[in-house]
Amino acid sequence: GQQVMQIPQYQHVQEGEDFTTYCNSSTTLSNIQWYKQRPGGHPVFLIQLVKSGEVKKQKRLTFQFGEAKKNSSLHITATQTTDVGTYFCAGLNYGNNRLAFGKGNQVVVIP
Amino acid sequence: DAGITQSPRYKITETGRQVTLMCHQTWSHSYMFWYRQDLGHGLRLIYYSAAADITDKGEVPDGYVVSRSKTENFPLTLESATRSQTSVYFCASMRDDYGYTFGSGTRLTVV
Repeated sequence: GQQVMQIPQYQHVQEGEDFTTYCNSSTTLSNIQWYKQRPGGHPVFLIQLVKSGEVKKQKRLTFQFGEAKKNSSLHITATQTTDVGTYFCAGLNYGNNRLAFGKGNQVVVIP
Repeated sequence: DAGITQSPRYKITETGRQVTLMCHQTWSHSYMFWYRQDLGHGLRLIYYSAAADITDKGEVPDGYVVSRSKTENFPLTLESATRSQTSVYFCASMRDDYGYTFGSGTRLTVV
């Protein structure tokens, strides 16, 4: 079945620095979505990427979808303490509406 | 997020008991999902529903039952709770072609 892998699983990031988290799928995706879960909270939808090579920005967050639609990345600049949490990518296969979630990248921000 | 409600927020039950987790959404979204979240496993799909009276198994359905007689409700029942079902359970709904909206979760402990 479809698998979505995220690397790294854990990151410690100094406040003010940049970091990137990566997502790879074993199959070509219809779209890819990113979610953020704060400690003790629930996953919150951040963005959806649909087109090959698509790049979207939300303030300090830059999301990219690979040309082959099998990988994606999330890059955060000038990390703040509010960026702490777990970032999940989730891929949608063609022909169904069930997302396959990666295991997440847990980010700890060091003040 | 206010449109999808899970209850209870916390539940402690004994092994062998039947327990039902409730999920209610106010948007009339067609798709609804149940996930469990455990350390090291990320989000795993238990059951999903494409519409009222249409349900299907996800990745880890054993020991769970769902029903969807009305579009807005999607209860999850553990027929005979086991300790391995101790977890955080999230319900989600999806607007056509867009991201999932998750409820706040139910933290279930089976003793």
